[in-house]
Amino acid sequence: DAGVIQSPRHEVTEMGQEVTLRCKPISGHNSLFWYRQTMMRGLELLIYFNNNVPIDDSGMPEDRFSAKMPNASFSTLKIQPSEPRDSAVYFCASSKSEGVGTQYFGPGTRLLVL
Amino acid sequence: GEDVEQSLFLSVREGDSSVINCTYTDSSSTYLYWYKQEPGAGLQLLTYIFSNMDMKQDQRLTVLLNKKDKHLSLRIADTQTGDSAIYFCAETGNTGFQKLVFGTGTRLLVSP
Repeated sequence: DAGVIQSPRHEVTEMGQEVTLRCKPISGHNSLFWYRQTMMRGLELLIYFNNNVPIDDSGMPEDRFSAKMPNASFSTLKIQPSEPRDSAVYFCASSKSEGVGTQYFGPGTRLLVL
Repeated sequence: GEDVEQSLFLSVREGDSSVINCTYTDSSSTYLYWYKQEPGAGLQLLTYIFSNMDMKQDQRLTVLLNKKDKHLSLRIADTQTGDSAIYFCAETGNTGFQKLVFGTGTRLLVSP
């Protein structure tokens, strides 16, 4: 089983550039979550989807952030334009909405905005 | 509102037991979880406990749940240097079964 796949693993970009993070959830999972982790703020839930539909985006910092899930096997998180304060590790996680609801995390994308 | 609190840091010697504590606010949580994060990696589920249980044991791990005090603990027996990591507790909360509320994480340092 491949687990949750995220790309890229590392991203360095300049302020003002567009950044796109990608996630492939575990096959058969119908919920997908995007988190951001920083030293100052810890682990924050940005948005989550159920059956490809955004359910709660209250954690999205501002309009510069957007997320899509066009199908059950792919999601993107886009930052446009990026700012230095967006530097963080971004995690994608997936789960089945039935049962225990355990979330399985990807390895994360480490983003540095200069 | 939902809030999950943990102490930030714990240091133990190899071979000792470690106890990581967590307090949560939402008594309606169905499940409570412990996740482990090693350096440079994502969070990995260690164990979970159903809210109607008091205790769950899984090899070196023991989870204790006190619903009255809304207190959750994770005990690691015979702690090894490989257990050094950040440990997060999480609850399902009242915002929906799928969304988890994570604590701030406890950094465990195991010295030889």
